[in-house]
Amino acid sequence: GQQLNQSPQSMFIQEGEDVSMNCTSSSIFNTWLWYKQDPGEGPVLLIALYKAGELTSNGRLTAQFGITRKDSFLNISASIPSDVGIYFCAGPHLNTGNQFYFGTGTSLTVIP
Amino acid sequence: DAGVTQSPTHLIKTRGQQVTLRCSPKSGHDTVSWYQQALGQGPQFIFQYYEEEERQRGNFPDRFSGHQFPNYSSELNVNALLLGDSALYLCASSFWGTGEDEQYFGPGTRLTVT
Repeated sequence: GQQLNQSPQSMFIQEGEDVSMNCTSSSIFNTWLWYKQDPGEGPVLLIALYKAGELTSNGRLTAQFGITRKDSFLNISASIPSDVGIYFCAGPHLNTGNQFYFGTGTSLTVIP
Repeated sequence: DAGVTQSPTHLIKTRGQQVTLRCSPKSGHDTVSWYQQALGQGPQFIFQYYEEEERQRGNFPDRFSGHQFPNYSSELNVNALLLGDSALYLCASSFWGTGEDEQYFGPGTRLTVT
């Protein structure tokens, strides 16, 4: 299957710091979505990106869809304790219709 | 506005048994996708249902089957359970017609096979 690689695998930061994480693929994606998942719960949609180069914000979150449609980054500004969780990138590959692929995840720990 | 709901929350089964998981989509959505998430990994796509038909399928054996009802709710059935089927099973709903790909997830069903 298609591989979405996320980096870093885990992050430990102080409360108030900014965070940046990336997602890359060898294949072109139609859409790029970022989700946050708390332990034992379902992923929650944070941001959806549809156009190459698109930069979108949602509160303290900012994400951009790469020009090549093969990568994306997610930034979190002024982190707070409730930002703790696992962040996944996901989306449908160009030639696989509605089948979503998920990244390997970035685990974020915020130290108060 | 009700979000995606799943039942049961937790389930314990024995190898070789069969299990049925249920999902109700978010209000206004007509498409349901099912995912399997093993511990420490990202969700893996099982299949997607729209208009009561399986529209797309991931790399899962025929032991995994599903159904969608006229009210858009869906079931995931797994036969001949294996220990490796232990996972969090997630349901996601979306609206087919918009051309957008936003999927909204339920809380999941934790299946343990012993």
